[in-house]
Amino acid sequence: SQQGEEDPQALSIQEGENATMNCSYKTSINNLQWYRQNSGRGLVHLILIRSNEREKHSGRLRVTLDTSKKSSSLLITASRAADTASYFCAPDGGSNYQLIWGAGTKLIIKP
Amino acid sequence: EAQVTQNPRYLITVTGKKLTVTCSQNMNHEYMSWYRQDPGLGLRQIYYSMNVEVTDKGDVPEGYKVSRKEKRNFPLILESPSPNQTSLYFCASSSPVGKREGRETQYFGPGTRLLVL
Repeated sequence: SQQGEEDPQALSIQEGENATMNCSYKTSINNLQWYRQNSGRGLVHLILIRSNEREKHSGRLRVTLDTSKKSSSLLITASRAADTASYFCAPDGGSNYQLIWGAGTKLIIKP
Repeated sequence: EAQVTQNPRYLITVTGKKLTVTCSQNMNHEYMSWYRQDPGLGLRQIYYSMNVEVTDKGDVPEGYKVSRKEKRNFPLILESPSPNQTSLYFCASSSPVGKREGRETQYFGPGTRLLVL
């Protein structure tokens, strides 16, 4: 099974600052995805990075992937109050269809 | 609009009374999955399905059943609910499914809040 573990568990920053969240996993992957969850709602896909990619951008999001360290990071630049949410990573090895998600990083943007 | 729908969104029931939470997707996805989310524990996978008539246990399958008779629907059945099944439940779907491709974007339903008294 694949498991993503996010770090830190919680992060509180001022609006306008950058937020960085990290994800570690244990086995080889085909891709790794990041999701956002607003309180009590369904998860929303943010970005997918494949195992042969090292960095990917989408708007204010920047994701890096280091397969040698089995880690990924999500950077949100120029944070906004609307970015307040929990963020989850989902490493996907493909060969095992059981997914185990971490507890996520709870991001709070203070106005 | 591409979406995953769940019903009901909120449900209060009593111990032992069978219930079904429906999940439907309109994206022709092969892969569907059920998760429960509890405070501090993140998402835990209950069951998943790779295609019609193909289902398998996830991390926490005890007390749950599923079926996949049609590609678009993946109901979650609690034959005899207990208070420890009080949780927030999410259905998700994605495509493709393959050893080399892995899953693409997973689309999540809005969630079903279940309270078992």
